[in-house]
Amino acid sequence: DIQMTQSPSSLSASVGDRVTFTCRASQDIGNSLAWYQQKPGKPPNLLLYAASRLESGVPSRFSGSGSGTDYTLTISSLQPEDFATYYCQQYYNTPPYTFGQGTKLQIK
Amino acid sequence: EVQLVESGGGLVQPGGSLRVSCAASGFTFSNYGMHWVRQAPGKGLVWVSRIHRDGSSTDYADSVKGRFTISRDNAKNTLYLQMNSLRAEDTAVYYCARLTDSMILRKHVFDIWGQGTMVTVSS
Repeated sequence: DIQMTQSPSSLSASVGDRVTFTCRASQDIGNSLAWYQQKPGKPPNLLLYAASRLESGVPSRFSGSGSGTDYTLTISSLQPEDFATYYCQQYYNTPPYTFGQGTKLQIK
Repeated sequence: EVQLVESGGGLVQPGGSLRVSCAASGFTFSNYGMHWVRQAPGKGLVWVSRIHRDGSSTDYADSVKGRFTISRDNAKNTLYLQMNSLRAEDTAVYYCARLTDSMILRKHVFDIWGQGTMVTVSS
């Protein structure tokens, strides 16, 4: 199974900041990576797929990049509604569909 | 509106059984593979099971294999998860999720999620 590791596990930032999350796969996943945002008590919401493609309706301040085993999610200018937990998930070799453990973004 | 609504969660004793359901609306249910993903309290997302659009094939996480059974009724637009021999570690919110698959877009992701149903295994 492919293991996904996210860092950091939590991050504090302020409105307007630029923040970056990292996701590392245990093997090359060929850009087969999705990012989800989850707010407390809510289901996850798809943000990006194929590492860098923005899902319809997702604000353009979200962007993704990476290749091979290492990927990043960047929020260019944090908005109040962006404080949430972010998960990466690989779909290169499934099943299982494996998620990272999440990065919690908190208000500084 | 595209929607998934889970039901059937609750409190069950260790070793017991429970069936959770997921009612789909707003899209052609039979065109999509469907999945269950769970989240233990305060923990991350864990994939549980999937079923092909026509129900012809299924897969399970190792942690639930032999205990859980996924099924679907395309005439009723409903997905099910039968959970037997439940353990304390199965305690979680269970989400159903639609998988959207496009080779052209390289998109094979969970694009629609239900609100989840809580399953608590405790004596």
